[in-house]
Amino acid sequence: GAVVSQHPSRVICKSGTSVKIECRSLDFQATTMFWYRQFPKKSLMLMATSNEGSKATYEQGVEKDKFLINHASLTLSTLTVTSAHPEDSSFYICSAHDRAAFNVLTFGAGSRLTVL
Amino acid sequence: AQTVTQSQPEMSVQEAETVTLSCTYDTSENNYYLFWYKQPPSRQMILVIRQEAYKQQNATENRFSVNFQKAAKSFSLKISDSQLGDTAMYFCAFMNLARRNDKIIFGKGTRLHILP
Repeated sequence: GAVVSQHPSRVICKSGTSVKIECRSLDFQATTMFWYRQFPKKSLMLMATSNEGSKATYEQGVEKDKFLINHASLTLSTLTVTSAHPEDSSFYICSAHDRAAFNVLTFGAGSRLTVL
Repeated sequence: AQTVTQSQPEMSVQEAETVTLSCTYDTSENNYYLFWYKQPPSRQMILVIRQEAYKQQNATENRFSVNFQKAAKSFSLKISDSQLGDTAMYFCAFMNLARRNDKIIFGKGTRLHILP
């Protein structure tokens, strides 16, 4: 089955630094990927839609300069949290649509970011 | 805009019992998918079951079945013969099919505890 790899699974950084999270589709091509944020014991909140070869589409209230998304290839999307602050600490999950399969969405295992 | 509502934040049942999780949604679309996802402590999102809105027959996957009432915009999940491994957070979710590979919108979730 389709597999989405997300890396790193855990990252700790200092305030003011930037952190990059990668989302890779391992055995399929993904023209569209989604980035979600999940607070403890809460639901998944959609942050942005990542489109291969074009700019990401951000949901209302999400700072695009804070959360930089790049989807440079059909198998890789990256989320960079710039100038991270403790309030950015959260669980980030990516998901990807298989280009060849209609409306099949696969989730990565998530990345836990802790900003000190 | 679509919304998904789960009115039961938390539930507990004894092992081997049957439990039903409620979900309602709101949309003006006629063609869409509904999902139930499971998120165990590992936080990996696992697809439990999917229902196409154009299908009248309720989806079933082994011990998991849904009661889909399109006119009422209701989509409940029934877990039969519950097992300890069913303990998890369960999310009801919606995907609009008007656009290919659209995003998934999640409800707030129901935390389910299966008691030994």
